[in-house]
Amino acid sequence: DVKVTQSSRYLVKRTGEKVFLECVQDMDHENMFWYRQDPGLGLRLIYFSYDVKMKEKGDIPEGYSVSREKKERFSLILESASTNQTSMYLCATLPQGNEQFFGPGTRLTVL
Amino acid sequence: AQSVTQLDSQVPVFEEAPVELRCNYSSSVSVYLFWYVQYPNQGLQLLLKYLSGSTLVKGINGFEAEFNKSQTSFHLRKPSVHISDTAEYFCAVSPLGGGSQGNLIFGKGTKLSVKP
Repeated sequence: DVKVTQSSRYLVKRTGEKVFLECVQDMDHENMFWYRQDPGLGLRLIYFSYDVKMKEKGDIPEGYSVSREKKERFSLILESASTNQTSMYLCATLPQGNEQFFGPGTRLTVL
Repeated sequence: AQSVTQLDSQVPVFEEAPVELRCNYSSSVSVYLFWYVQYPNQGLQLLLKYLSGSTLVKGINGFEAEFNKSQTSFHLRKPSVHISDTAEYFCAVSPLGGGSQGNLIFGKGTKLSVKP
């Protein structure tokens, strides 16, 4: 079974803090994605990566950056967290195929 | 560009009743189609997908969906729902080919609430 893990299920940070959200997959998938999920808005793509050290902006990259130094790990970085970044963050991977596999999500609250 | 419209944000039904969750999409290229389910406080799980072939697709937990190319729809159905089907359901499309292959465009979700 594909396993996608996210470093925290719940996270509380203060405005202005630097925040790291980690995603790890155990299946050697090349493609990885970060989404944020907000009520009534569905899932929106923040960034994705097709390979190590490669990244592409999604639909809402502002205020975020990413890092992919190893194939299995894809990190989402909030350089200076703001209250409007309070959300559920979901990581996903895509093997050679069509189905994305999702992690359990990190619910981030920025105070 | 692609877009996905889920026509109902909330669908309340009684247990053992049939349900249909509606999904329409817009795309200038061919797409793959997906339905995902999200149970409370969990990530997304694939229910079913349409890639090619038969337009009626069967998924897990007794769900099925029918791809209608002329109406650009991919409605999800279940003939008899259970309390345990209470969840949020997301329709998604993925464009074929090009650099965006594999990217998913999601609808805003439909919350299914099954009542006893």
